[in-house]
Amino acid sequence: GQQLNQSPQSMFIQEGEDVSMNCTSSSIFNTWLWYKQDPGEGPVLLIALYKAGELTSNGRLTAQFGITRKDSFLNISASIPSDVGIYFCAGQRGAQKLVFGQGTRLTINP
Amino acid sequence: NAGVTQTPKFRVLKTGQSMTLLCAQDMNHEYMYWYRQDPGMGLRLIHYSVGEGTTAKGEVPDGYNVSRLKKQNFLLGLESAAPSQTSVYFCASSDRGGREQYFGPGTRLTVT
Repeated sequence: GQQLNQSPQSMFIQEGEDVSMNCTSSSIFNTWLWYKQDPGEGPVLLIALYKAGELTSNGRLTAQFGITRKDSFLNISASIPSDVGIYFCAGQRGAQKLVFGQGTRLTINP
Repeated sequence: NAGVTQTPKFRVLKTGQSMTLLCAQDMNHEYMYWYRQDPGMGLRLIHYSVGEGTTAKGEVPDGYNVSRLKKQNFLLGLESAAPSQTSVYFCASSDRGGREQYFGPGTRLTVT
């Protein structure tokens, strides 16, 4: 099945640093979603994007829907320990099912 | 609202045994989904439903069956468990249009 390419696969940063991750596809999507998964929990929706070029924030998180509609970016500013987890992107075309990336594992050193 | 709940949280099966995983949602969502999550593979769709009484195959349906007899419940069945079905299973639901999916806490299944 189709997969999204999410990078980086893992990140090791210092507390207070900014974080950037992205998701790319060979196909066009008209919806991009970003989820966070804590250990032992289900993914939690962070941000939803519906228009090419759209930039949406949720607290210290900012996500953008790429102009080409084939990519999306998530930035986290001034990271804190509770940002640790796995971040997933997901894309959708029309009424089709969501396609998920493999995830970016974020580790923060205090 | 409890959102999406799943039972059980953990289960160990022997090869060939059967079991049913239950998913319930209280958001009146039309769409429901079952995923499995394996290390390095992200989330893969097993089966989904776009309404009461309907089911459809996802990306990895083999070895699983589902039923949606009530709008709020979506059941995932394993008729004859295999070690390859060792995984974490997540249920999700969304409103009509299926964009913003909300996930349950997961069921960790081990097949020995």
